[in-house]
Amino acid sequence: QSVLTQPPSVSAAPGQKVTISCSGSSSNIGNNYVSWYQQLPGTAPKLLIYDNDKRPSGIPDRFSGSKSGTSATLGITGLQTGDEADYYCATWDSSLSAGVFGGGTKLTVL
Amino acid sequence: EVQLVESGGNLVQPGGSLRLSCAASGFTFRNYWMTWVRQAPGKGLEWVANIKEDGNKKYYVDSVKGRFTISRDNAKNSLYLQMNSLRAEDTAVYFCARLVARQTKDYWGQGTLVTVSS
Repeated sequence: QSVLTQPPSVSAAPGQKVTISCSGSSSNIGNNYVSWYQQLPGTAPKLLIYDNDKRPSGIPDRFSGSKSGTSATLGITGLQTGDEADYYCATWDSSLSAGVFGGGTKLTVL
Repeated sequence: EVQLVESGGNLVQPGGSLRLSCAASGFTFRNYWMTWVRQAPGKGLEWVANIKEDGNKKYYVDSVKGRFTISRDNAKNSLYLQMNSLRAEDTAVYFCARLVARQTKDYWGQGTLVTVSS
């Protein structure tokens, strides 16, 4: 069981919007910044969002992040088949003094 | 261009040892915290360990404490993970990544596979 809770899967049609939630607690999301990673099949993870809502250069603005209290959300608009991947949230847990990941969410673009 | 290249993964028997390496290039290695993250076959990402720029502060996930040691050689731009007393549940692809502010892992290597099996 992961410290951060994500839905195992989400799906939507091409062109539509999807959100992926990441739920934690005051010791992790509540008091630390959240980052999001995309992992395409057979590849290394790639940074999508950092500091809750910032996009690295090269990441399209179709991807967005937000945080409220002890939860964070990744949003993807204008879905493309190339967005099919596993998505992970991550942060630091101050009580555990450890990095933590969500269990991952598999996005299917129907 | 930032590059991280892991090596050292192999098939090892339970109870055995292995040392992973991560060669860094394209940035000033000594200025960054570094991290190891692993992924068991068909499973999600699991944070393993962090190490401070000068190597003087380290953090580990509970399941590897006392068995794994993260270290670095800033003169060689290299990160290491010494893994002892390996167990079947340590079987995974191990990724090294660069850490920037607030625990963001901004660059990742391609990973190296460790298989623990008799």
